[in-house]
Amino acid sequence: GNSVTQMEGPVTLSEEAFLTINCTYTATGYPSLFWYVQYPGEGLQLLLKATKADDKGSNKGFEATYRKETTSFHLEKGSVQVSDSAVYFCAVNFGNEKLTFGTGTRLTIIP
Amino acid sequence: NAGVTQTPKFQVLKTGQSMTLQCAQDMNHNSMYWYRQDPGMGLRLIYYSASEGTTDKGEVPNGYNVSRLNKREFSLRLESAAPSQTSVYFCASSAHLPGLAGYNEQFFGPGTRLTVL
Repeated sequence: GNSVTQMEGPVTLSEEAFLTINCTYTATGYPSLFWYVQYPGEGLQLLLKATKADDKGSNKGFEATYRKETTSFHLEKGSVQVSDSAVYFCAVNFGNEKLTFGTGTRLTIIP
Repeated sequence: NAGVTQTPKFQVLKTGQSMTLQCAQDMNHNSMYWYRQDPGMGLRLIYYSASEGTTDKGEVPNGYNVSRLNKREFSLRLESAAPSQTSVYFCASSAHLPGLAGYNEQFFGPGTRLTVL
């Protein structure tokens, strides 16, 4: 069936380090893919999205590419900042009204 | 635009009490959703409404009821609160136009933190 698997956390990095958070999915069709970010005490905000194979979503220095061959949508950032500390959720739309979320990855950036 | 608003922000209940969480969106979206977020569990869908006048169960509907009052408003009711319902509740909305993949992102409210003693 359809599912989403997200890298477990927590992840702790030093400022300016390179970030990767892995996300893979299992689907019978061609889903839409999303990354959401949740800052402390707030709701989820859409960070970036991709709706077809080889699309690259980008925002605030974060990037993720829709890889159909590996069914992946890994989140990357070249140089993280303290302000990037948050919980990151991968989410997939399998063609209906609902989103299926990964379990979330808590990211802490140390100055 | 205010986006998605939720009231109240915080609530403490005793076991057996009832309450209604309110949600409203001003983006003219068709679909609305209620989630709960528990530590280590990510987000779990309680109920959703694909369009005005329809509601459907999500992953964890037991102990909850919903009402899609109109296109803007979607409320969540706990008839007899239990400690297991202590959680943070999020409402979300989506334009969800069938066949148009780019419109199925969801927009979230700020959440209601509920404690049941």
